[in-house]
Amino acid sequence: QSVLTQPPSVSAAPGQKVTISCSGNNSNIGNNDVAWYQQFPGAAPKLLIYDSKKRPSGIPDRFSGSKSGTSATLAIAGLQTGDEAHYFCGTWDSSLSVVFGGGTKVTVL
Amino acid sequence: VQLLESGGGLVQPGGSLRLSCAASGFSFGSYAMSWVRQAPGKGLEWVAGISGNGMITKYADSVRGRVTVSRDNSKNTLYLQMNSLRAEDTAEYYCAKTTPLYSSSWFVDSWGQGTLVTVSS
Repeated sequence: QSVLTQPPSVSAAPGQKVTISCSGNNSNIGNNDVAWYQQFPGAAPKLLIYDSKKRPSGIPDRFSGSKSGTSATLAIAGLQTGDEAHYFCGTWDSSLSVVFGGGTKVTVL
Repeated sequence: VQLLESGGGLVQPGGSLRLSCAASGFSFGSYAMSWVRQAPGKGLEWVAGISGNGMITKYADSVRGRVTVSRDNSKNTLYLQMNSLRAEDTAEYYCAKTTPLYSSSWFVDSWGQGTLVTVSS
């Protein structure tokens, strides 16, 4: 059971917007920034969002992140078939460890 | 940035394995590193982290006492020594370049391709 809670799956039609939530507590998200990772089957994860809302170079602005209190959200606008993947949130925890969410599978209908 | 893991394989319960990660394309000794694993069909689990100079190490509760993370900055290589392996240690193990341990802005900015560890009799 993961420390951070994510919905197992979300889906939407091409061109639509999906949001993925990541819920934690004051030991982790409440006092630290969140990162989001994208993972395709058989591949390593890739950094998508860091510092809760910043995008590394090369990541389209269709991907956006936000944080409020002890929850964070990843939004994917203008959904494309190539966005079908698993998405994970992660952050530092005051228990002196790193915690991740269980992952969310995005399906493009 | 390139991170190339090696050393994975099939090992019996109770056995040992040492993973290596050869790093290139950045100033290795200036960055904290971590090992992150992923059991088949499961989510990500952080295993261990080490500071750039190797003086600070941290471990997940699930592996503390059984694994040791280390680095050789002269060889640009990260290691993970795993002992007393259990079936639940079966996973893909990723080498990860990260922001500093204990940082309020902790994240992995580069991942290796992974090496598979299978613990089974």
